[in-house]
Amino acid sequence: DAKTTQPNSMESNEEEPVHLPCNHSTISGTDYIHWYRQLPSQGPEYVIHGLTSNVNNRMASLAIAEDRKSSTLILHRATLRDAAVYYCILPRGGGGTSYGKLTFGQGTILTVHP
Amino acid sequence: DTAVSQTPKYLVTQMGNDKSIKCEQNLGHDTMYWYKQDSKKFLKIMFSYNNKELIINETVPNRFSPKSPDKAHLNLHINSLELGDSAVYFCASSQRTGYVWDTEAFFGQGTRLTVV
Repeated sequence: DAKTTQPNSMESNEEEPVHLPCNHSTISGTDYIHWYRQLPSQGPEYVIHGLTSNVNNRMASLAIAEDRKSSTLILHRATLRDAAVYYCILPRGGGGTSYGKLTFGQGTILTVHP
Repeated sequence: DTAVSQTPKYLVTQMGNDKSIKCEQNLGHDTMYWYKQDSKKFLKIMFSYNNKELIINETVPNRFSPKSPDKAHLNLHINSLELGDSAVYFCASSQRTGYVWDTEAFFGQGTRLTVV
């Protein structure tokens, strides 16, 4: 998988927006940018993914830089339940006789203060 | 219904024992995975199966033997357990990806294995 760089930790206050950055300068033209999060004592859960255009879903928004070398996960109003480790991943795809793989890095620990 | 379910949730056992962790997914996916999360919280892929066939083996010791009786199940059997096997094991599933990964993976809640 292409390498991603995220801050080790970030803090936010409840009900404020949170912008989680991710750098991926070696991204290839076909790499999708994925975000997963892991709540305490839970398995990872999918948050959002995108290729070039900004994406929105009920959980978050994904803003992708024009050159695609960085992206930002936006939580519009953080809640205490959003406290988790957030992973920015560029999974390797498969095709032909090879198969894709989802590789997790260190992630960003998000702390949300009441 | 839980999409990806693992049993048991907790497992405490002695060194040298053999144990199994079961995983089932009801999403109709054709690819399933086992991940290990150690005490430092790094999540590492161990195995991947597609339609009951092993497709990824990340140089895991051969004491670990995954078995897929059908594409909805992927069990993990561990022989001769060692202290270093203590970790949280996560099962996951997804549809097989093409040349690009444009799908989401679903993870189970994890099995916390403690070897004493």
